[in-house]
Amino acid sequence: DIQMTQSPSSLSASVGDRVTITCRASQSISSYLNWYQQKPGKAPKLLIYAASSLQSGVPSRFSGSGSGTDFTLTISSLQPEDFATYYCQQSYSTGVVTFGPGTKVDIK
Amino acid sequence: QVQLQESGPGLVKPSQTLSLTCTVSGGSISSGDYYWSWIRQPPGKGLEWIGYIYYSGSTYYNPSLKSRVTISVDTSKNQFSLKLSSVTAADTAVYYCAREVVVVAATRAFDIWGQGTMVTVSS
Repeated sequence: DIQMTQSPSSLSASVGDRVTITCRASQSISSYLNWYQQKPGKAPKLLIYAASSLQSGVPSRFSGSGSGTDFTLTISSLQPEDFATYYCQQSYSTGVVTFGPGTKVDIK
Repeated sequence: QVQLQESGPGLVKPSQTLSLTCTVSGGSISSGDYYWSWIRQPPGKGLEWIGYIYYSGSTYYNPSLKSRVTISVDTSKNQFSLKLSSVTAADTAVYYCAREVVVVAATRAFDIWGQGTMVTVSS
């Protein structure tokens, strides 16, 4: 199975900060990597697919990059509504999907 | 727009079978463009994919749960269902149904989610 890790597990930031979250796969997954945002009590929301493509309706301050085993989600200027937990997810394996453990972004 | 809604008991006794249904509205479950998945999240923890079903009935399950999971589809009702047998407290979680779509070049992503339903396993 492909294992996903994320760092950091949590971070504190201020409105307006540039935030970077890293996701690493246990083997190469090409660009088969998605990012989700989850707020407390809500279902996850798709932000980025195929490593760097912005889902329709998602603000342009969110961006993704990477390929192979190392990926990054960047929020260029953190807004109050961005405080949430972020998950990466690989879809490289035929059928089997795995998520990273999540990165919680809270207010400094 | 397409919406998904989970339904089923919120409390299940240990060793019994958990049964949930996801109703798809605003679109057809028989569209060949999508896979229909179940995903769960234990309280305070991360996301675990359980499995998916295609409208034709073909399925794929998480190997860690495969021996206990059955996912089925009822195209006439635009619903798909989850059964998880021999449950324990470790199966206590919010259960989500989600639509998985091929977004680009064979990359799949969960683009639409239900609101989730909390299932507690307790006697």
